[in-house]
Amino acid sequence: QITLKESGPTLVTPTQTLTLACTFSGFSLSTSGVGVGWIRQPPGKALEWLALIYWDDDKRYSPSLKSRLTITKDTSKNQVVLEMTNMDPLDTATYYCAHRRKWGDAFDVWGQGTMVTVSA
Amino acid sequence: QSVLTQPPSVSGAPGQRVTISCTGSSSNIGAGYDVHWYQQLPGRAPKVLIYDNDNRPSGVPDRFSGSKSGTSASLAITGLQAEDEADYYCQSYDSSLSGSEVFGGGTKLTVL
Repeated sequence: QITLKESGPTLVTPTQTLTLACTFSGFSLSTSGVGVGWIRQPPGKALEWLALIYWDDDKRYSPSLKSRLTITKDTSKNQVVLEMTNMDPLDTATYYCAHRRKWGDAFDVWGQGTMVTVSA
Repeated sequence: QSVLTQPPSVSGAPGQRVTISCTGSSSNIGAGYDVHWYQQLPGRAPKVLIYDNDNRPSGVPDRFSGSKSGTSASLAITGLQAEDEADYYCQSYDSSLSGSEVFGGGTKLTVL
């Protein structure tokens, strides 16, 4: 059974860097094709894809946020980390991580999400 | 403004059939990339409802079906039930710019 869980601060101040971790079980990020993505959802708004990392360390980023995002993986810890720099109140959202079996597949298992508020 | 366009809301009475459209372009759906649909119940994480245009994961009732044609895709729900009231999102890949995963703006389904 695949599970993912997001963790990180619930409150960050503007201009700070946000660091979120996605700890997973039930699969390995060294298995061919597998990827873990980050998706966020501001309160009352739509889902927005942020970043993806694949088993071979291929990294993909949202073009509109690429300059602010860094995604990394620690296969031994079963963890994927997302960093977002220069946080703004508009980045207030629930952040989800999700599993995909291979490029182009659906995000078939999602974490429960973690709410991050950006405020002074 | 989402790359994939969905109606903000749809509604139907119990037992009825509703469809939700997802309109894209030649750089995403029209380029042949698969479309996936997610259901998000209030306060919950999204869950995959349809994958690869028209496939249901195990456990998803056959009341839900997906289709794709040209630059658009659709989700159909028959025999509406109160528990279907949720937000629905389509998702695909867009090859413009550097290429990215894209979601639709979401559709709120209200069961009257």
